Amino acid sequence: GAVVSQHPSRVICKSGTSVKIECRSLDFQATTMFWYRQFPKQSLMLMATSNEGSKATYEQGVEKDKFLINHASLTLSTLTVTSAHPEDSSFYICSASDRGLLLDIQYFGAGTRLSVL
Amino acid sequence: RKEVEQDPGPFNVPEGATVAFNCTYSNSASQSFFWYRQDCRKEPKLLMSVYSSGNEDGRFTAQLNRASQYISLLIRDSKLSDSATYLCVVLRGSQGNLIFGKGTKLSVKP
Repeated sequence: GAVVSQHPSRVICKSGTSVKIECRSLDFQATTMFWYRQFPKQSLMLMATSNEGSKATYEQGVEKDKFLINHASLTLSTLTVTSAHPEDSSFYICSASDRGLLLDIQYFGAGTRLSVL
Repeated sequence: RKEVEQDPGPFNVPEGATVAFNCTYSNSASQSFFWYRQDCRKEPKLLMSVYSSGNEDGRFTAQLNRASQYISLLIRDSKLSDSATYLCVVLRGSQGNLIFGKGTKLSVKP
């Protein structure tokens, strides 16, 4: 099946720093990528949807200036958590779909666990 | 009302038991439905899609009732390796946005 690589898997940083998370589709072209956040014992919450070459669509309540998303190529999307604070500590997961194949199927990265001290 | 609601769980069952999970969704326009499995501190993995006619994959059977906006997952002859959190997922809109339920935790004991 399709593979999505997410990096880094774990980040520990100081409050106020910015953290960049990369999401790559390794063997297919991801026309659409999704970013989710999951707090402990909670469901995955969609943060934003990004299509290659266009601005991301953010879900209600997600600050676009706080969570910068770039989807510059068909195989790479990045999420930058700017000026991270302890409340941003969470599990961030990306997924990708290839509309050339099955629209409904999303392939998930392994996630990034962010801890802000 | 949440868009996707699931049994709160946890379900603690012995090996070999049959266990059923239920899920309801609020948006009647939803078209696609899935069950995902998530192990502790890992990403979710697709278990199976759910079709109107119901579908089976080995020990797993999924059912969809559009009139009641209800989805179910049945696991027969449960194994220790089935222990995980099972997520009911609904596709919203044409953008491919997945809406996840909170999940139901299953623990299969020897």
